[in-house]
Amino acid sequence: RKEVEQDPGPFNVPEGATVAFNCTYSNSASQSFFWYRQDCRKEPKLLMSVYSSGNEDGRFTAQLNRASQYISLLIRDSKLSDSATYLCVVRKMDTGRRALTFGSGTRLQVQP
Amino acid sequence: GAVVSQHPSRVICKSGTSVKIECRSLDFQATTMFWYRQFPKKSLMLMATSNEGSKATYEQGVEKDKFLINHASLTLSTLTVTSAHPEDSSFYICSALRTSGGGYTQYFGPGTRLTVL
Repeated sequence: RKEVEQDPGPFNVPEGATVAFNCTYSNSASQSFFWYRQDCRKEPKLLMSVYSSGNEDGRFTAQLNRASQYISLLIRDSKLSDSATYLCVVRKMDTGRRALTFGSGTRLQVQP
Repeated sequence: GAVVSQHPSRVICKSGTSVKIECRSLDFQATTMFWYRQFPKKSLMLMATSNEGSKATYEQGVEKDKFLINHASLTLSTLTVTSAHPEDSSFYICSALRTSGGGYTQYFGPGTRLTVL
């Protein structure tokens, strides 16, 4: 079983739509959670961290459910520029390692 | 924000040759850097953790003799793919760990696309 699982998509949505992505992680030792965005043939860029209380950054809202080991990302009022692959990322602190573990990503295509 | 550079951005080489990729943190010192590999439509996979002044820690299944890592200074880590084969063709991305205020953030380089003919 993969450590971080995501629906690969693609999600094809019209501009202005609301879209939600989900992610599950298998290791309960995971301590930090993030959503990254990756454009084609580019490096991943941090979109937002995810906190248990839920957090919002403009049109983006992230939620974490530690009991279910589940993370979500909601994008409201989708823009064409939101088209990208969204990576669910976790960090665990076993043996002091601080590397990130990436999901395989969910592809979003926003259409005019 | 912090900047991490990688060089070269793209390299094409013949099978059997060695390729060196550099990763630099431009405006901060990084005692820890990470090397990832990404195949098309796949996730980033951690290859190794590079520690300044000590040996790199390799992930299971990654051959340390094939992927040589040297973290010679607080701003530079290099990955050398030795005796490259076509199956080594991939997108290699480094990241540097920046610590501040008790926390830390990982900054990614722009990646190096390696094609082995």
